[in-house]
Amino acid sequence: DTEVTQTPKHLVMGMTNKKSLKCEQHMGHRAMYWYKQKAKKPPELMFVYSYEKLSINESVPSRFSPECPNSSLLNLHLHALQPEDSALYLCASSQDLGAADTQYFGPGTRLTVL
Amino acid sequence: GQSLEQPSEVTAVEGAIVQINCTYQTSGFYGLSWYQQHDGGAPTFLSYNALDGLEETGRFSSFLSRSDSYGYLLLQELQMKDSASYFCARPIAGNNRKLIWGLGTSLAVNP
Repeated sequence: DTEVTQTPKHLVMGMTNKKSLKCEQHMGHRAMYWYKQKAKKPPELMFVYSYEKLSINESVPSRFSPECPNSSLLNLHLHALQPEDSALYLCASSQDLGAADTQYFGPGTRLTVL
Repeated sequence: GQSLEQPSEVTAVEGAIVQINCTYQTSGFYGLSWYQQHDGGAPTFLSYNALDGLEETGRFSSFLSRSDSYGYLLLQELQMKDSASYFCARPIAGNNRKLIWGLGTSLAVNP
């Protein structure tokens, strides 16, 4: 199984809503990532978990809250988002091998904040 | 710095060969990756070069020259389905979990 899955595929939410994005991988990867991507731009790293511990937080606003319940699952909890947070949210995983590490991406969640 | 530069757009015809260049600053350089992303899709890993030379995978090849601080992705026998954005990326010195991404090259393959 070389797949990273993400749910939901699409999400529309108001600024007062609370929602969660989910990501799962069964490749035994030890690192998992959240990225945000705007149209025609490269992915922007938000968070990295390594061995289920938060390794990197790229100064992301607290309205985004990551969670790694176990080595296969990664969640992103959303609360009080702004319209400018509308984007494609990508999850990725990797073996955490260092410079030659390959990141495998899920299909993403297309988020629209009204 | 550790930035990457690549052309914003490239156009080619079916069956042709296209080369997408990526130049980088040498500070803390480990290697260069290439990712493909179709509109509305997720980035897909294509290749990684840590050493000088050419790596071939089917119709796609990737090349690295450390002495010239650049690499390229070579796409042969172009097909319409190759129309996509192509990103070069490199791990950040001192923190390999973070990638620096080029701004992407949008490839349009025409009939």
